[in-house]
Amino acid sequence: KAGVTQTPRYLIKTRGQQVTLSCSPISGHRSVSWYQQTPGQGLQFLFEYFSETQRNKGNFPGRFSGRQFSNSRSEMNVSTLELGDSALYLCASSWDTSYNEQFFGPGTRLTVL
Amino acid sequence: GDSVTQMEGPVTLSEEACLTINCTYTATGYPSLFWYVQYPGEGLQLLLKATKADDKGSNKGFEATYRKETTSFHLEKGSVQVSDSAVYFCALTDNSGGSNYKLTFGKGTLLTVNP
Repeated sequence: KAGVTQTPRYLIKTRGQQVTLSCSPISGHRSVSWYQQTPGQGLQFLFEYFSETQRNKGNFPGRFSGRQFSNSRSEMNVSTLELGDSALYLCASSWDTSYNEQFFGPGTRLTVL
Repeated sequence: GDSVTQMEGPVTLSEEACLTINCTYTATGYPSLFWYVQYPGEGLQLLLKATKADDKGSNKGFEATYRKETTSFHLEKGSVQVSDSAVYFCALTDNSGGSNYKLTFGKGTLLTVNP
């Protein structure tokens, strides 16, 4: 079956703009999580959604937001982009228990100029 | 809060050498432990996992044992191949208090295997 897909794969934006990233989970998976990966901070948890509800949120400013639709697809939005938001944004989907594997997508590479 | 500490490397080995990547953790409650691997230009793939103390996870010749007494989950392989070159991440989910679905990662260890 198809894996986790993320669009777009690459984005270039300028400071102050906003951006929306999309994630389609594996069919049947209802939990979607987002992570930010940077060379300095490594992999950091942004938020997790299940059945259109945010269940967990990481320590990021309010400029970072997300949502999940009834078909489990998820989007994350970053407003008022800063240079430090340049990163690889990874989406992961899973069944609904912490013991189950989180399947990661290939990521969206965001560059803020 | 939860944290994972792993040797940052880089680690460079010759083919067929033995590999150990150390990983220790701090968590409240009883975490599940994972090793993920990231190949260049790709997302993360689960390599192995262990959900309770003394469990051994294994996959593709890699092994790691959940040691509660030393809060460790070291990754080992007896004979590495060039195709094992990648970045390896140790991670945990804390199964207490509603953070079950958040993975906390170590900084990652870059492994390069030379022929």
